[in-house]
Amino acid sequence: AQSVTQPDIHITVSEGASLELRCNYSYGATPYLFWYVQSPGQGLQLLLKYFSGDTLVQGIKGFEAEFKRSQSSFNLRKPSVHWSDAAEYFCAVATSGGSNYKLTFGKGTLLTVNP
Amino acid sequence: DAGITQSPRYKITETGRQVTLMCHQTWSHSYMFWYRQDLGHGLRLIYYSAAADITDKGEVPDGYVVSRSKTENFPLTLESATRSQTSVYFCASSVQGARNTEAFFGQGTRLTVV
Repeated sequence: AQSVTQPDIHITVSEGASLELRCNYSYGATPYLFWYVQSPGQGLQLLLKYFSGDTLVQGIKGFEAEFKRSQSSFNLRKPSVHWSDAAEYFCAVATSGGSNYKLTFGKGTLLTVNP
Repeated sequence: DAGITQSPRYKITETGRQVTLMCHQTWSHSYMFWYRQDLGHGLRLIYYSAAADITDKGEVPDGYVVSRSKTENFPLTLESATRSQTSVYFCASSVQGARNTEAFFGQGTRLTVV
């Protein structure tokens, strides 16, 4: 069965510092991968997605993620963090299409940004 | 307004009571989902629906019932609420069942069972 692991429960960075959030997946077929962000009291918003092609994908708010098949990873990065990036981040993998389509999420990484 | 809306946003209920959480989407997306979010567990899928009158169990379906008589609505019912069902519930929709489509989420319903 598919699974997603986010090894870091909580990360604290200073404003302006670079950021990398880790995500490892387990899935037998070609993975379709997503990063979502959740601000306090809000729903989830899609940051970016990977389906095929270029392994470095760009998303909204200056985020990017790199797919590494050999490492089963899809890490999220941002070169310079802003205070407004403080939120919880979820990595997800989509399973097969058809009637069995669903998203499986990691447990999330909470990002705190220090001024 | 277009989008996906959940109601109520907040609900307190007593153990043993039946409660229904509503989800409505205006996009005519075929797929809809219910997740619960708990500290330390992330989001776990309760039920999902591929189309009207087609539903299937997710990872944690026990104690929940869903129906989908119309494409735009996907209510979630707790038949006899328990304290362990205290959680934040998210509804989501997706245009089709292909893996290369994103899911759009509602704002969530915070349910407390006392």
